[in-house]
Amino acid sequence: DGGITQSPKYLFRKEGQNVTLSCEQNLNHDAMYWYRQDPGQGLRLIYYSQIVNDFQKGDIAEGYSVSREKKESFPLTVTSAQKNPTAFYLCASSPGQGVFLNTGELFFGEGSRLTVL
Amino acid sequence: ELKVEQNPLFLSMQEGKNYTIYCNYSTTSDRLYWYRQDPGKSLESLFVLLSNGAVKQEGRLMASLDTKARLSTLHITAAVHDLSATYFCAVGRGNEKLTFGTGTRLTIIP
Repeated sequence: DGGITQSPKYLFRKEGQNVTLSCEQNLNHDAMYWYRQDPGQGLRLIYYSQIVNDFQKGDIAEGYSVSREKKESFPLTVTSAQKNPTAFYLCASSPGQGVFLNTGELFFGEGSRLTVL
Repeated sequence: ELKVEQNPLFLSMQEGKNYTIYCNYSTTSDRLYWYRQDPGKSLESLFVLLSNGAVKQEGRLMASLDTKARLSTLHITAAVHDLSATYFCAVGRGNEKLTFGTGTRLTIIP
């Protein structure tokens, strides 16, 4: 089945540790995104990538890093510089600009819940 | 800067009743999306609205878009408990990234 797989689903981190959240898609989508959601809140964009080996900062990129070495993979690292990392992290993808019949709709993974102890 | 507001933020309604969730946005945009999120879960796409006057329906949910008024509505008909969730609208403009509303938490009371 085509889809977006995020792992781990739950992750606990001690203060000062870096952690990496995995996001893999087999939809052949060009664009991938990372969002953060705090309890009772909407989604805020952390980073996005429209093509391999290129990515841009979103609205809240500080304390996070990403890479896009392969089309299907877009891992997010939450660094120790992120002061309040406890949140629900959602990865999404879309076909990308210029793709025929692309409506711009985002397809989401199941999410990763990070808790800092 | 594109801003997206939803109202109400919280809504409790009885089964069998009708209600409407509103999504207003601040600047001209060319596409709007509705998503559903169950507690602790991811976002599920409900509707994609790409033109002024677009109306889409799925079961008890109907979404519409008025680009002149910068307004989209999500109408719930004869609500049932299974519709309890948080509903988000998201607005897109040109090549810019989607901007999400803050969500409407809907609770259907038996």
